[in-house]
Amino acid sequence: AQSVTQLGSHVSVSEGALVLLRCNYSSSVPPYLFWYVQYPNQGLQLLLKYTSAATLVKGINGFEAEFKKSETSFHLTKPSAHMSDAAEYFCAVSGRRRTAGNKLTFGGGTRVLVKP
Amino acid sequence: DTEVTQTPKHLVMGMTNKKSLKCEQHMGHRAMYWYKQKAKKPPELMFVYSYEKLSINESVPSRFSPECPNSSLLNLHLHALQPEDSALYLCASSQEGAAGGLSTDTQYFGPGTRLTVL
Repeated sequence: AQSVTQLGSHVSVSEGALVLLRCNYSSSVPPYLFWYVQYPNQGLQLLLKYTSAATLVKGINGFEAEFKKSETSFHLTKPSAHMSDAAEYFCAVSGRRRTAGNKLTFGGGTRVLVKP
Repeated sequence: DTEVTQTPKHLVMGMTNKKSLKCEQHMGHRAMYWYKQKAKKPPELMFVYSYEKLSINESVPSRFSPECPNSSLLNLHLHALQPEDSALYLCASSQEGAAGGLSTDTQYFGPGTRLTVL
């Protein structure tokens, strides 16, 4: 079974400060990892994904994440927070399909608050 | 076009009503999904359709009935719901649905339907 754990259900950062969202995974097969963002009253939007091509993955809106197998982690970072980054962030894991469709398992989510 | 559309945006229904949620995508994706999301929680997978056939049912109560009329459309029929079924219902699609492959496909989500059951 696969799972992800997001450390910290809420993160508060000042505008211009580093954003760091933590995600640790558990998987018996090589994992594929995703970060999604959800703005209020909207659906989820993909920020970036790890598919084993490169351990440092760059995404949209200045976000990036690094896959560390030794630490079973896939933490999300952004050097300088912007007010528009206030949202809910979800880490998710999938693996080789045993059934049709891409079954994602989501972490509990981290709500980011950006202070002016 | 990477858009998944969902209608209606909001729905209020009584416990004896029958209603349907609609989802549409024109990206040529062959897998489509229904998720349920309660407030301050992650999405929970309900159903997956692959090539217009139901491939995953996450033990969802029968008062939720999915339907995939064609490769672009996904419906969720609702009947005799309970107040605890009130939630945001999200539809998603991804490119490749076949079993056995690498599940790296991005899922594209619609904006959701906010359902309230009275």
